Amino acid sequence: GAGVSQSPRYKVTKRGQDVTLRCDPISSHATLYWYQQALGQGPEFLTYFNYEAQPDKSGLPSDRFSAERPEGSISTLTIQRTEQRDSAMYRCASSSGHFSGNTIYFGEGSWLTVV
Amino acid sequence: GQQLNQSPQSMFIQEGEDVSMNCTSSSIFNTWLWYKQDPGEGPVLLIALYKAGELTSNGRLTAQFGITRKDSFLNISASIPSDVGIYFCAGQALDSNYQLIWGAGTKLIIKP
Repeated sequence: GAGVSQSPRYKVTKRGQDVTLRCDPISSHATLYWYQQALGQGPEFLTYFNYEAQPDKSGLPSDRFSAERPEGSISTLTIQRTEQRDSAMYRCASSSGHFSGNTIYFGEGSWLTVV
Repeated sequence: GQQLNQSPQSMFIQEGEDVSMNCTSSSIFNTWLWYKQDPGEGPVLLIALYKAGELTSNGRLTAQFGITRKDSFLNISASIPSDVGIYFCAGQALDSNYQLIWGAGTKLIIKP
């Protein structure tokens, strides 16, 4: 697509439920990032993909978090057994490559509230 | 997670005033980026800096990549109402696998 598209924009879920967020990056972009952004803070890195490979997932806060990009395009971020502390904006971003100098474009984010 | 030190946290200014904000880091970066985030939107890139000492302008915005590669500043001249928002600095470094490290943001508010 023309821009990075995320869905759902807003999600309210009960504690303990699983949640899956979706990202559709810019179509020509090889690299896809997931970030978590708390209110009043900058984005914090979760994981990234180069096509379908996932070279770095060091930012995932626990094993309840996982991400996939099976065909190197659309990606999903799944949070299992959600907890209230998981409430945040989850932002997807994409770029043409994971190197210094490649512009990173952000989606509008998925706002997750765990109640 | 790791973050840059960005200051000030917020600024209240009059329309027409100049604005200055900066970011510092304890480690060296290869790239400094400045983003603006409007409410409900994702961050949008304003200026990218790739070389120590580089000074780059984008309209009324000017940013510099510090000589030590550990700091950067962003200036906005003659502020206008649409400049309101949160400005984030971000850095990339080879030794952090080019992960984007973010500042906490500077919230710019323009007094009517």
